[in-house]
Amino acid sequence: KNQVEQSPQSLIILEGKNCTLQCNYTVSPFSNLRWYKQDTGRGPVSLTIMTFSENTKSNGRYTATLDADTKQSSLHITASQLSDSASYICVVRGGTNAGKSTFGDGTTLTVKP
Amino acid sequence: NAGVTQTPKFQVLKTGQSMTLQCAQDMNHEYMSWYRQDPGMGLRLIHYSVGAGITDQGEVPNGYNVSRSTTEDFPLRLLSAAPSQTSVYFCASSRTSGIAKNIQYFGAGTRLSVL
Repeated sequence: KNQVEQSPQSLIILEGKNCTLQCNYTVSPFSNLRWYKQDTGRGPVSLTIMTFSENTKSNGRYTATLDADTKQSSLHITASQLSDSASYICVVRGGTNAGKSTFGDGTTLTVKP
Repeated sequence: NAGVTQTPKFQVLKTGQSMTLQCAQDMNHEYMSWYRQDPGMGLRLIHYSVGAGITDQGEVPNGYNVSRSTTEDFPLRLLSAAPSQTSVYFCASSRTSGIAKNIQYFGAGTRLSVL
């Protein structure tokens, strides 16, 4: 069964600090991996998308990495801001024509002043 | 810049009642889908559609019906609401070709409580 596991489940950091969120997956074959940010009471919003050949992709203060060999991804947030408080969801799409997306349970990040 | 619009935002039903959750997108996306999100769990796919007139079941389809008569609209129907259907429902849309097909745009959600 295809699985996407995220860690930690929740995280509290002080404003200005950096943090790294982890995503491990077993989806095979692999097509792409996406990170979404979901603010409380809102729908998820895409942050990055990475294909097999991409190791790193940045979107402002967000940097995603992908190791397709070990089936691991991380999302690094630099110089955190209060507005970064949200749930971060890792989504992996299978590599077939009818490839379905498997969603992780998310990491809840709280940034405190 | 409407994107994906879901109505209503909140709904309370009694067990056994039926209702339709509305979803509309103005981006001419072929692919539309419905998810439910329960506390501490990832989004689970209920139904999806790859174009007008085409729908298929996702991971948790029981108790829900969908139809896709136009590209823009993808309503989700609860036939006989049950407390187990208390959840937050998200509609999403995306392209079906090119790299953009992998970027889903989500609505703001419908928070449903079944008593």
